[in-house]
Amino acid sequence: GQQVQQSPASLVLQEGENAELQCNFSSTATQLQWFYQSPGGSLVSLLSNPSGTKHTGRLTSTTVTKERRSSLHISSSQTTDSGTYLCAIAPMSNYNVLYFGSGTKLTVEP
Amino acid sequence: EAAVTQSPRSKVAVTGGKVTLSCHQTNNHDYMYWYRQDTGHGLRLIHYSYVADSTEKGDIPDGYKASRPSQENFSLILELASLSQTAVYFCASSGTGTNTGQLYFGEGSKLTVL
Repeated sequence: GQQVQQSPASLVLQEGENAELQCNFSSTATQLQWFYQSPGGSLVSLLSNPSGTKHTGRLTSTTVTKERRSSLHISSSQTTDSGTYLCAIAPMSNYNVLYFGSGTKLTVEP
Repeated sequence: EAAVTQSPRSKVAVTGGKVTLSCHQTNNHDYMYWYRQDTGHGLRLIHYSYVADSTEKGDIPDGYKASRPSQENFSLILELASLSQTAVYFCASSGTGTNTGQLYFGEGSKLTVL
């Protein structure tokens, strides 16, 4: 099946530090999305970035399609950024299905 | 703001019993999805639908049925609940499908099968 690997599994930062989250996937992807899951469990879409670089607020995602990897950079982290960040891809073979990684659990300490 | 509501939010079921999880969206979206999340893992797609009265199998459909009686409603049915189906279930909707569209999630339904 499709595989989406995220690293690191967990990350602890001090407030104000930057975070770099990685996502590697085994199939050619037609879509790549990053999601945030709050400690309470709710999920929100952060951004969609199947290729290139995309910015939104303090988030920057860079996806290198040929190398099947994407990163999510969070600048000037805040305690409210704590939660789990999930990467998901829609493979070319089945673009209606999003395959999720296990996530990176981010903890930002004051 | 897009809205997806799930019910029940929490349920305890007995092995072999029938469980129905319901999802309602007010987004006027064509696509709806059911995912399950196991502790410490990402989401896996069970079933999805892009039009009323039609459903499609996702990555892990075995043991689950889905029903889409209208554009707004999408149900997940466990005819014979098993211990391995203990998980948190998320419903989501999208206007144009996950290939191009943003997903909007419900708050999740925690199912415990005893």
